[in-house]
Amino acid sequence: GDSVTQMEGPVTLSEEAFLTINCTYTATGYPSLFWYVQYPGEGLQLLLKATKADDKGSNKGFEATYRKETTSFHLEKGSVQVSDSAVYFCALYTGANSKLTFGKGITLSVRP
Amino acid sequence: DAMVIQNPRYQVTQFGKPVTLSCSQTLNHNVMYWYQQKSSQAPKLLFHYYDKDFNNEADTPDNFQSRRPNTSFCFLDIRSPGLGDAAMYLCATSRLEGQGRNEQFFGPGTRLTVL
Repeated sequence: GDSVTQMEGPVTLSEEAFLTINCTYTATGYPSLFWYVQYPGEGLQLLLKATKADDKGSNKGFEATYRKETTSFHLEKGSVQVSDSAVYFCALYTGANSKLTFGKGITLSVRP
Repeated sequence: DAMVIQNPRYQVTQFGKPVTLSCSQTLNHNVMYWYQQKSSQAPKLLFHYYDKDFNNEADTPDNFQSRRPNTSFCFLDIRSPGLGDAAMYLCATSRLEGQGRNEQFFGPGTRLTVL
């Protein structure tokens, strides 16, 4: 079945540090890939997406590239801010079962 | 702004006392989802509606029911809440056709406490 694997957390960084959060997936067919962010006490917000191989999703300084050869969708940001502190979920959608498959999520804490 | 609204944001109920959570959307999406999210875990899909077509996940307990009286509203009914049902409940919507299809838009969630 479909699955998403995220690197283990939590991650703590200083402000302006470089961020990479790894995500790999297993899926039948050609999934769409997503990164969602969840701030404390809130619902999930779509951060970025990519729908086909080599697509790059970007938003708010975050980027992720759909790599079919490595089945990966790693999230990066060049300079994190305290306001980026949140939980980040990688997810995929194949349409075979009409639902998102989430990774376990990773908590990012950014220190001033 | 078009959005997904959940009420209430915080709900306290007693063990075994039925509770209903509500979700409304102004996006006119044909699919609505209910998720349960426990602390430090990913959201777990309970069920979803495609228009009025109800789709239950195989491992969703019978204690959880849902109603969708029209396109805009969807309700989650917990018939006899147990302590293990304390969680954040998230509603989401999506559409199956057109640009942006399959993106899910989430509401802010309802935090359920069971005493």
